[in-house]
Amino acid sequence: QVQLQESGPGLVKPSQTLSLTCTVSGGSISSGSYYWSWIRQPAGKGLEWIGRIYTSGSTNYNPSLKSRVTISVDTSKNQFSLKLSSVTAADTAVYYCARGGYHGADAFDIWGQGTMVTVSS
Amino acid sequence: SYELTQPPSVSVSPGQTARITCSGDALPKQYAYWYQQKPGQAPVLVIYKDSERPSGIPERFSGSSSGTTVTLTISGVQAEDEADYYCQSADSSGTPVFGGGTKLTVL
Repeated sequence: QVQLQESGPGLVKPSQTLSLTCTVSGGSISSGSYYWSWIRQPAGKGLEWIGRIYTSGSTNYNPSLKSRVTISVDTSKNQFSLKLSSVTAADTAVYYCARGGYHGADAFDIWGQGTMVTVSS
Repeated sequence: SYELTQPPSVSVSPGQTARITCSGDALPKQYAYWYQQKPGQAPVLVIYKDSERPSGIPERFSGSSSGTTVTLTISGVQAEDEADYYCQSADSSGTPVFGGGTKLTVL
């Protein structure tokens, strides 16, 4: 059974770059017609889609974050990563990685447990 | 930017039927999906493609679509169904968008 696990620093200083990695276990990141996304949730608020990557390397980003986001994939390590630059307190949130493309649709069927990232000096 | 609108809260008694709506202009052309999120946990997909149920999701969860509104229906609500529910769809360019979430309270 495929599982996802986020990892990375829990504290990032303002103006710096947030970097997170999602490790896929229990299956190959390249198998099936799936894509891999990052989604975040500020405390007590709703979900916000950040972006996605296909194992071909093709990416799509939320227009509201596009200028600051880079998502990459390392199929040899079965991992994909998020970089968010020039962070501010507004980027403080739980960050989830998720698998999309369930049954050929834009549904996220597998999620990581989430990792809390705080932006503070 | 495109928005999906959900009621902030819905309350029902155990055994009753809960209906949570989600409205958006693009819903007639884009599928909707529903997620259940309990405190401190990651969301769980409960409905995809408007009305399909993933394996392992109880039959009491169902989805429907009518025009610019989609509805998640939970029949015979149980205490364990108390959670936040989020709808998700896509805008005209295919960018995934989430609704603001609905807190379901089981009285």
